[in-house]
Amino acid sequence: AQTVTQSQPEMSVQEAETVTLSCTYDTSESDYYLFWYKQPPSRQMILVIRQEAYKQQNATENRFSVNFQKAAKSFSLKISDSQLGDAAMYFCAYTLSGTYKYIFGTGTRLKVLA
Amino acid sequence: AAGVIQSPRHLIKEKRETATLKCYPIPRHDTVYWYQQGPGQDPQFLISFYEKMQSDKGSIPDRFSAQQFSDYHSELNMSSLELGDSALYFCASTLRDIARETQYFGPGTRLLVL
Repeated sequence: AQTVTQSQPEMSVQEAETVTLSCTYDTSESDYYLFWYKQPPSRQMILVIRQEAYKQQNATENRFSVNFQKAAKSFSLKISDSQLGDAAMYFCAYTLSGTYKYIFGTGTRLKVLA
Repeated sequence: AAGVIQSPRHLIKEKRETATLKCYPIPRHDTVYWYQQGPGQDPQFLISFYEKMQSDKGSIPDRFSAQQFSDYHSELNMSSLELGDSALYFCASTLRDIARETQYFGPGTRLLVL
């Protein structure tokens, strides 16, 4: 069975600094997708970034980028120039292509310090 | 852009009562997912529908049932409610085979069982 692990329950970062959130996953499959979702205090789930496993190039969305290491089954999220609005719970999610359901990690709570 | 709509946003029920949660997917999306997020937990997949047919089933109790209607909206019916059913219930939608497995989440329905 596939599993997703986020080993950092909580992280803190100074405003304007860079922080990296870790995510590892376990799968024997080769065709899958990985996501980072942000859940602010409103509890809305907001897509941050997506990575297709077949792509070697790391995905980037403005200040957010990932370090996807397929062999190591690692999918970390880097947030550059952190802003107060980045404070939220961040969930890493995995889906096997064709199964259409997400498996989430336990989340990392990010605090941004002014 | 239109988003996923969930109603009601908040619901308070007593034990052993029934509840119906509604989800209206993004227009033209053909697939709907339901997730349950308990306090301090990650979202857990309950059930999904594609073109009005159940496509996958997760950890959904037998007391719960769901369906997708001809207009693609979905309803989650919960009977014999228990205290442990208190959670945030998310609906997500996608356009299968086009959206590269990306699910778009609604704001959630917060259910409190007393």
